[in-house]
Amino acid sequence: DIQMTQSPSSLSASVGDRVTITCRASQDISNYLAWYQQKPGKVPKLLISAASTLQSGVPSRFSGSGSGTDFTLTISSLQPEDVATYYCQRYNSAPQTFGQGTKVEIK
Amino acid sequence: EVQLVQSGAEVKEPGESLRISCKGSGYTFTSYWIIWVRQMPGKGLEWMGRIDPSDSYTSYSPSFQGHVTISADKSISTAYLQWSSLKASDTAMYFCATQNSIAAASDYWGQGTLVTVSS
Repeated sequence: DIQMTQSPSSLSASVGDRVTITCRASQDISNYLAWYQQKPGKVPKLLISAASTLQSGVPSRFSGSGSGTDFTLTISSLQPEDVATYYCQRYNSAPQTFGQGTKVEIK
Repeated sequence: EVQLVQSGAEVKEPGESLRISCKGSGYTFTSYWIIWVRQMPGKGLEWMGRIDPSDSYTSYSPSFQGHVTISADKSISTAYLQWSSLKASDTAMYFCATQNSIAAASDYWGQGTLVTVSS
């Protein structure tokens, strides 16, 4: 199976900072990559699909890039409401594996 | 408005069977795949498997194959996740979610069903 590896596993940044999370696939997955945000005690929310397509209603400070095996989620200016765990997921074929998650906190 | 409504929390003993449900509304149930995702306490998301409600075709993660069964009843727009013999390690939150094609991200999610397995 194709493995998804996220880094870092956690980070702490100040409000207004630029935050970058990376996700690496063990094989080429083209752009079949999604990013989800899960706030504590809440349901996961789809932020980005097709590696870089922002979902309707998602703030423009979120962006995604990459293709093949290396992908990035960027928050251009971290806000208090962005405190959450972020997951990447490949969906090119089953099993549609998630990364292990990146916990984002405010410093 | 697309909605997935899951059945309520369950408390079971090891060895018992269980079936939890996920009812879709606001869309044509047979048009979207349904996936199931496990989240153990304090842990990440794990993709378990999926079903095409139009023909009940299923695929499973190797990690869950043989331990759970995914099914659907399109006449009542409901998908199911079931266990024949629960273990304590099945204690987790379980989410259902939709996919609008075989290779798509999951844009709509159920509220989750907490399953607790304890003697």
